[in-house]
Amino acid sequence: DQQVKQNSPSLSVQEGRISILNCDYTNSMFDYFLWYKKYPAEGPTFLISISSIKDKNEDGRFTVFLNKSAKHLSLHIVPSQPGDSAVYFCAAQFTGANNLFFGTGTRLTVIP
Amino acid sequence: GAVVSQHPSWVICKSGTSVKIECRSLDFQATTMFWYRQFPKQSLMLMATSNEGSKATYEQGVEKDKFLINHASLTLSTLTVTSAHPEDSSFYICSAAGTDTQYFGPGTRLTVL
Repeated sequence: DQQVKQNSPSLSVQEGRISILNCDYTNSMFDYFLWYKKYPAEGPTFLISISSIKDKNEDGRFTVFLNKSAKHLSLHIVPSQPGDSAVYFCAAQFTGANNLFFGTGTRLTVIP
Repeated sequence: GAVVSQHPSWVICKSGTSVKIECRSLDFQATTMFWYRQFPKQSLMLMATSNEGSKATYEQGVEKDKFLINHASLTLSTLTVTSAHPEDSSFYICSAAGTDTQYFGPGTRLTVL
């Protein structure tokens, strides 16, 4: 049973515009959420995270928004750059646990 | 960020053979390491949690006798796929637990002929 879902398998955005990647989860007990970026044949690299006590976290061009009532989070990248082209995974975690529950990923293509 | 390495990065083997994959945390000690498996166009699925000096904890549906995990030191965990079959072909990724997040290795592509 997939507890973390990314319903858009792919997204194409023009360079300089905003990329919005969405993620939904079903377990309200998740209290920490992370976004990872992954290139082909490489492991995921950590991008940004957010605790359930917050609704927004910003780091440079990357902002993550959390809507707990909707069990939804999103990653905004602005402005998008060609180097942002990769697969983005959202992940969720319980307090005190190390294991991550991953979404299925969204392939972002930024068109120059 | 912290560095985690995996070796080999890719391996091709015959059906019935065993393959060992190493995961090393290069610049920090990790009491806990994780092994994930990724099928094409699918999510990373946690296979097992490896704790240094103790037995690994396997997720439901993962055969512990087929996927042997050893976490012999604070910087090394190994995954051995025993008697590999074509359905074991996949991308295997390890991660090491840091203080605030997991750091992932580059992954190992296993192809079983």
